[in-house]
Amino acid sequence: DAKTTQPNSMESNEEEPVHLPCNHSTISGTDYIHWYRQLPSQGPEYVIHGLTSNVNNRMASLAIAEDRKSSTLILHRATLRDAAVYYCILLDNYGQNFVFGPGTRLSVLP
Amino acid sequence: KAGVTQTPRYLIKTRGQQVTLSCSPISGHRSVSWYQQTPGQGLQFLFEYFSETQRNKGNFPGRFSGRQFSNSRSEMNVSTLELGDSALYLCASSSQGKHTFGSGTRLTVV
Repeated sequence: DAKTTQPNSMESNEEEPVHLPCNHSTISGTDYIHWYRQLPSQGPEYVIHGLTSNVNNRMASLAIAEDRKSSTLILHRATLRDAAVYYCILLDNYGQNFVFGPGTRLSVLP
Repeated sequence: KAGVTQTPRYLIKTRGQQVTLSCSPISGHRSVSWYQQTPGQGLQFLFEYFSETQRNKGNFPGRFSGRQFSNSRSEMNVSTLELGDSALYLCASSSQGKHTFGSGTRLTVV
């Protein structure tokens, strides 16, 4: 399984942008880059995913490097509700058999 | 659209007992996956069912089993419970690669 590496933790101030990096140097051509987040006492929640092009949705943006060996999840204005563990995951087209790493614990300071 | 429903939310069992957990997926989703989450090991994949057939299986002992019914609802069973089985058990249903997780069942084995 292709692996990802993320920083263990990051801090941000409220209402400032947050850039969460993920390295996936062994990504294959058919792997999609998915981001999920897990708020305290809840199951993981889908954030965004992409293959090659940058992606935007109402929650976040995903910037994918041209060589696809890294990506960055961008939260444009962090709120206290964005404090969570963020997971970067590589999945094939069928999207099964998630391999979760330890993720990045994001703290948002008021 | 109703989300993924897991029952019960909390459960306490004693060593040696068996337990059955239930998961109702989002209507129309045919794939259901199960995960175990512990502080030490993080999120680990148990198995995945699609159209009543187990399609993928993680690296867990045979005491962990599951099944899926014709209405896509799924159950997982753990027999001969051990203290180390205490964990949050998460179910996810998926469509087009996007997983939606339930809130989980927190199992405590005493």
